[in-house]
Amino acid sequence: KAGVTQTPRYLIKTRGQQVTLSCSPISGHRSVSWYQQTPGQGLQFLFEYFSETQRNKGNFPGRFSGRQFSNSRSEMNVSTLELGDSALYLCASSAGTGLGKETQYFGPGTRLLVL
Amino acid sequence: AQKITQTQPGMFVQEKEAVTLDCTYDTSDPSYGLFWYKQPSSGEMIFLIYQGSYDQQNATEGRYSLNFQKARKSANLVISASQLGDSAMYFCAMRPDSGGYQKVTFGTGTKLQVIP
Repeated sequence: KAGVTQTPRYLIKTRGQQVTLSCSPISGHRSVSWYQQTPGQGLQFLFEYFSETQRNKGNFPGRFSGRQFSNSRSEMNVSTLELGDSALYLCASSAGTGLGKETQYFGPGTRLLVL
Repeated sequence: AQKITQTQPGMFVQEKEAVTLDCTYDTSDPSYGLFWYKQPSSGEMIFLIYQGSYDQQNATEGRYSLNFQKARKSANLVISASQLGDSAMYFCAMRPDSGGYQKVTFGTGTKLQVIP
């Protein structure tokens, strides 16, 4: 079974631009969660999508948005990029039951650098 | 709200020795799952092991085992016979069962370095 894929793997943008990151979950998984990881703030939860609906949301400004398609693929968008948005963005895929025993499987991440 | 505490920012271990990475958690939910992930320098988070709050036995997966002490709210990861490839960041995480679809909470991680 193929794992979680994320594209692109690396991205360089300038302040003020916008960026779209893509995540394809493991086949059969219906939940996709996004995380931002920085050296200073650690791993922070952005949002979770299940069946094309946002099910959970972290404490990020409205510049961060996401969506999920009918095939469970998900995209996240960051508008008006700031230097502080430079981070590793991780996508995690899970079955979608929301139960405590449900394991999340992560993709390789997208490294975003904002200049 | 859930909270995960990993008090060891960094640790060293000699190759072939065992090492314990600490994790304590705080939750009011009676049912939850606990997870450990490994993150090498490449960045990908790799799932290692899972422990359910109602599991009677400590979880084991190859060289990884989880020392689960429910009353103390601790879920320490034990890596036996450390290898150079074990050098990485390790994250403890938890997801409660109750209250609907709750998010996973992660700790701040422990950086493990295996010395030859």
